[in-house]
Amino acid sequence: DAMVIQNPRYQVTQFGKPVTLSCSQTLNHNVMYWYQQKSSQAPKLLFHYYDKDFNNEADTPDNFQSRRPNTSFCFLDIRSPGLGDAAMYLCATSSDGTGNSPLHFGNGTRLTVT
Amino acid sequence: GNSVTQMEGPVTLSEEAFLTINCTYTATGYPSLFWYVQYPGEGLQLLLKATKADDKGSNKGFEATYRKETTSFHLEKGSVQVSDSAVYFCALKTASGYSTLTFGKGTMLLVSP
Repeated sequence: DAMVIQNPRYQVTQFGKPVTLSCSQTLNHNVMYWYQQKSSQAPKLLFHYYDKDFNNEADTPDNFQSRRPNTSFCFLDIRSPGLGDAAMYLCATSSDGTGNSPLHFGNGTRLTVT
Repeated sequence: GNSVTQMEGPVTLSEEAFLTINCTYTATGYPSLFWYVQYPGEGLQLLLKATKADDKGSNKGFEATYRKETTSFHLEKGSVQVSDSAVYFCALKTASGYSTLTFGKGTMLLVSP
């Protein structure tokens, strides 16, 4: 089945130690998104790629970076994780950026910062 | 800007009860509207969508009608099951041009046997 796959499901890192979360998709979608979801809150968009074009949300901290080396893969890098960065990180894709195309989500990576 | 307002949860129901989760929105133009469901420990799954006024989206017994006059997209199900326990997110995307998804805060549904 075509899908969005996130690895790992659970990630533990130390305060200040860089960490990378990965996402892959077999849907061949043009757009890939990274969302941060804290407990009992709505997902918050961090950034997205339309093909190779990177779009950062205005309030996304500089501590968060992303890479998309090809259509299938997208990475979220947290350069110096703080305790406040502990959250579920959700990757999503859509075929294009228009209103009719829904987002397809992976199962998320739950990040713990110790 | 765009925004979505959902009723606060949790909504607690007994099995086979009728469900309504209210959702209203503010948007420029005519957005597409979505309901996503998130089961414990999982990502979000698209439940249903509607792309224009008076459209009804439906899936797995859930349905929602796009009401332009009241800017609403309420989620309903006639008879809930324990397996429907999850968090439900209403969301919108503006229909014209390029846009990203705006979520409501989510409503937790708890169904007891």
